[in-house]
Amino acid sequence: DTEVTQTPKHLVMGMTNKKSLKCEQHMGHRAMYWYKQKAKKPPELMFVYSYEKLSINESVPSRFSPECPNSSLLNLHLHALQPEDSALYLCASSQRRAGAFAADTQYFGPGTRLTVL
Amino acid sequence: DQQVKQNSPSLSVQEGRISILNCDYTNSMFDYFLWYKKYPAEGPTFLISISSIKDKNEDGRFTVFLNKSAKHLSLHIVPSQPGDSAVYFCAASGTTYGGSNYKLTFGKGTLLTVNP
Repeated sequence: DTEVTQTPKHLVMGMTNKKSLKCEQHMGHRAMYWYKQKAKKPPELMFVYSYEKLSINESVPSRFSPECPNSSLLNLHLHALQPEDSALYLCASSQRRAGAFAADTQYFGPGTRLTVL
Repeated sequence: DQQVKQNSPSLSVQEGRISILNCDYTNSMFDYFLWYKKYPAEGPTFLISISSIKDKNEDGRFTVFLNKSAKHLSLHIVPSQPGDSAVYFCAASGTTYGGSNYKLTFGKGTLLTVNP
């Protein structure tokens, strides 16, 4: 089973709203990722959590706030977004074996289509 | 600087024939390569991967070839089926310890259309 689930599937929000995206995996993976994808572009990495700790923040604006409550869950809290933040937000997970020398396949969820009005 | 390049934005193939998708990379630190398939408004689906210690990996109709000296990899789909029509992304990562080995560097994708 290589399933990553994301909710909601679609989200429309105003620039003053606060909302959250959720991601869940039950594969025992210890690394989880948030990506942003615009139309006709490849996914862009935003954040990486490894063993529930934030490992990478790709200089993402503070209006995006990630949270990893446990090894299976990943949230992305959204506040005061701009219309240009409208995109497909993808969550991924990977095994991340201890030692970090092993190659690691990332498995993606279906994404949340976010529209900021 | 684009470290992973897919120079063909689109490819059209007849059903039953072979589809060959190409990918070039410039970073010699990359040593793990993946292909993902993506339908519109969905997340990428992992297809097949290859590490730099191999030059070929096969899974059913999908075969990936790696030519390290040329920094080139290709995905072969045989036989191609209409359901294979999607955008195919090549991605690469390094496995040396450090933050960069979490990061997948993606190409811009190739739209494959398989005609019945």
